[in-house]
Amino acid sequence: EDQVTQSPEALRLQEGESSSLNCSYTVSGLRGLFWYRQDPGKGPEFLFTLYSAGEEKEKERLKATLTKKESFLHITAPKPEDSATYLCAVSTGANSKLTFGKGITLSVRP
Amino acid sequence: DAEITQSPRHKITETGRQVTLACHQTWNHNNMFWYRQDLGHGLRLIHYSYGVQDTNKGEVSDGYSVSRSNTEDLPLTLESAASSQTSVYFCASSVAPGYEQYFGPGTRLTVT
Repeated sequence: EDQVTQSPEALRLQEGESSSLNCSYTVSGLRGLFWYRQDPGKGPEFLFTLYSAGEEKEKERLKATLTKKESFLHITAPKPEDSATYLCAVSTGANSKLTFGKGITLSVRP
Repeated sequence: DAEITQSPRHKITETGRQVTLACHQTWNHNNMFWYRQDLGHGLRLIHYSYGVQDTNKGEVSDGYSVSRSNTEDLPLTLESAASSQTSVYFCASSVAPGYEQYFGPGTRLTVT
């Protein structure tokens, strides 16, 4: 059974304090790893897709990386507007359904 | 701009009633999905469809059904609502299996 574990469950940062969010996975045959951002009361918003180990993608203050066992979402000099829940999901198998982790709630204090 | 919409956004119903949640997308995506999101569980797949007349069960499908009569819509029906089905429901779509999914704004359902 595919498993996705995100850590920590919650993270509080000071504005400008860089950090990383972890997503570790145990799957058979990874086809893609996805990062989403979710604001309270809204649907998840797509951020990145990573397909192979060593791949990196960047968007503003966010950078996602992928190894054979885990992915990191690095946040550089975060701002209060980066506060949200960040979800990781993996796609595996012939059906390529997504399996989601439980999310990491990030709070950035001004 | 293409989008995915859900209605209603909030719904309160009584135990035993039939409830239908609507999902409409203008992306022209073949693939559509229904998830529920609960504290401590994250997003869990209820049903999904890879095209018109195609429907498949996800990991938490008991008590739910879907039908796909056109590309744009995938309504989710709770046959006989139970308190355990109180949750936030999200619809999503993607261009193909394995590609990123785009989510609707969600429907908060309360079963009393």
